[in-house]
Amino acid sequence: EPEVTQTPSHQVTQMGQEVILRCVPISNHLYFYWYRQILGQKVEFLVSFYNNEISEKSEIFDDQFSVERPDGSNFTLKIRSTKLEDSAMYFCASRADNTEAFFGQGTRLTVV
Amino acid sequence: SQQGEEDPQALSIQEGENATMNCSYKTSINNLQWYRQNSGRGLVHLILIRSNEREKHSGRLRVTLDTSKKSSSLLITASRAADTASYFCATARASGTYKYIFGTGTRLKVLA
Repeated sequence: EPEVTQTPSHQVTQMGQEVILRCVPISNHLYFYWYRQILGQKVEFLVSFYNNEISEKSEIFDDQFSVERPDGSNFTLKIRSTKLEDSAMYFCASRADNTEAFFGQGTRLTVV
Repeated sequence: SQQGEEDPQALSIQEGENATMNCSYKTSINNLQWYRQNSGRGLVHLILIRSNEREKHSGRLRVTLDTSKKSSSLLITASRAADTASYFCATARASGTYKYIFGTGTRLKVLA
């Protein structure tokens, strides 16, 4: 069964460092998303991406964040200068037209 | 209330009993999905119900959707200890990028 794959599963980084979270969406999907979940809280929308551009982003997705689909298969989320409050589980999701969204297993980001 | 709010926030039942969780939302939707999350783990898709559907079944799961009341319910019948998890509803708006807005979740504990 096709699945969304995220790497790494856990990343520890120092405050101020840049991190790149990687996702491989399901191959025929067209819509891609990043969400985050701070421990014990709800899953929050960060950004959606379609046709090689951001289609929508939330207030959380400020200038420190960027997304890219560099090679037609990977979908990355970059945080330029991490803050302690960026510590969370980050989920990538993808979907085809009019289907459910499939989520990856998440990357747990810990900023120390 | 916020888009995608579940109630109850926490539910504790005995194995074999049924568990019912409710979700309310505010805006018109294209579809609504229910996800399960074990502590600290990824999101597992359970069931999708579209705005023109009223009820769907999948194994021991039954989901209803009442668009006039902007609410949905998830029923798990004959619960098992392994059903212990958090359950989230996620709504996709009727237009735009179909980003999913997650509710606050219901923490279900099934006692053996």
